[in-house]
Amino acid sequence: SQELEQSPQSLIVQEGKNLTINCTSSKTLYGLYWYKQKYGEGLIFLMMLQKGGEEKSHEKITAKLDEKKQQSSLHITASQPSHAGTYLCGADTAGGATNKLIFGTGTLLAVQP
Amino acid sequence: DGGITQSPKYLFRKEGQNVTLSCEQNLNHDAMYWYRQDPGQGLRLIYYSQIVNDFQKGDIAEGYSVSREKKESFPLTVTSAQKNPTAFYLCASSIWKPEANTGELFFGEGSRLTVL
Repeated sequence: SQELEQSPQSLIVQEGKNLTINCTSSKTLYGLYWYKQKYGEGLIFLMMLQKGGEEKSHEKITAKLDEKKQQSSLHITASQPSHAGTYLCGADTAGGATNKLIFGTGTLLAVQP
Repeated sequence: DGGITQSPKYLFRKEGQNVTLSCEQNLNHDAMYWYRQDPGQGLRLIYYSQIVNDFQKGDIAEGYSVSREKKESFPLTVTSAQKNPTAFYLCASSIWKPEANTGELFFGEGSRLTVL
């Protein structure tokens, strides 16, 4: 079974609309990472969350980690075509020193002008 | 500029042939990783290495081999024993930040392998 569940799998929004992507685990998340990927390219690091209740923002993207450290959300405000791509959450569920991350299956975002 | 370079970007292989994917980083990172990405399955860890001359199997190591002779390089060989090698392969590296007990992965641009 997938240890990290992402929802929705895909999303189409009108430009200017807000949207939220969720990432859920049955295990404690010692480090939660959000990445963005354009088709056929590598992953671009967006943000990392570590503490329960932590929230970080960069430009119009805000990521939160819940108090139990089992769920994270990525919120985009006033979406733009440049936000289109696949968003993946990655997490360290072992809490050890290897930094082995597991990843969700991704959320494909399309933004219609 | 510092970063991770993967080559080739596209590779075609006949069944029964071994192929080696290159991954080079100039970020001075200790740890390096190979992931495989398939549609609908996200990224799965093949092998990882925390220091030179040492590497560990990930979740799907069967049919793959790696070496870590230099800190900068972590090549991946896809052998003929890999049953379904057609995929997008991503190399990553990280620096360990002991004070934070974690460190983000930096990814290369990927290599797409197609078996004909």
